[in-house]
Amino acid sequence: AQTVTQSQPEMSVQEAETVTLSCTYDTSESDYYLFWYKQPPSRQMILVIRQEAYKQQNATENRFSVNFQKAAKSFSLKISDSQLGDAAMYFCAYRRRGAQKLVFGQGTRLTINP
Amino acid sequence: DGGITQSPKYLFRKEGQNVTLSCEQNLNHDAMYWYRQDPGQGLRLIYYSQIVNDFQKGDIAEGYSVSREKKESFPLTVTSAQKNPTAFYLCATSTGTHNNEQFFGPGTRLTVL
Repeated sequence: AQTVTQSQPEMSVQEAETVTLSCTYDTSESDYYLFWYKQPPSRQMILVIRQEAYKQQNATENRFSVNFQKAAKSFSLKISDSQLGDAAMYFCAYRRRGAQKLVFGQGTRLTINP
Repeated sequence: DGGITQSPKYLFRKEGQNVTLSCEQNLNHDAMYWYRQDPGQGLRLIYYSQIVNDFQKGDIAEGYSVSREKKESFPLTVTSAQKNPTAFYLCATSTGTHNNEQFFGPGTRLTVL
């Protein structure tokens, strides 16, 4: 079975600095998708960024980028120029191509210090 | 407005009572999902439905039931057989295609007293 592990329960960063959240996953599949979701205090889950496993290029969305290392099964999220609104729980998730189920990690709580 | 509606936001029930959580969408998405979120854990899939009148169990379906009579609606019933029902419940939808992403509703916090 696929598993997703986020080894950092909590992280904090100074406003305007850069922070990296870690995620590793375990799968025997070669074709899959990886996601980072943000859950602010409102608890609404918001998709931050998506990576397709067959694409070698790392995905980027404005201040958010990923470091996708397929061989190492690692998928970290880098947030540049951190803003107070980035404070939230961040979840890494995996989905095999063709499957309906998202497999989530345990989450990392990110605090932004002003 | 287009989106996913879950009501109510907070729900309280006495132990031993069945309770139904509502999920409605007007995104015209084929697939709908129910997830459960507990403190310190990620989301876990309860049930999902890819088309009307069809649904499949997820990883933690015991003690729950669903129906999908309309494309727009996917209600979740938490039965008295669910041993630890207090949790945050999230509904999600997707287009159902192979490259889909899931969109989440605002969630319902269920507390069983």
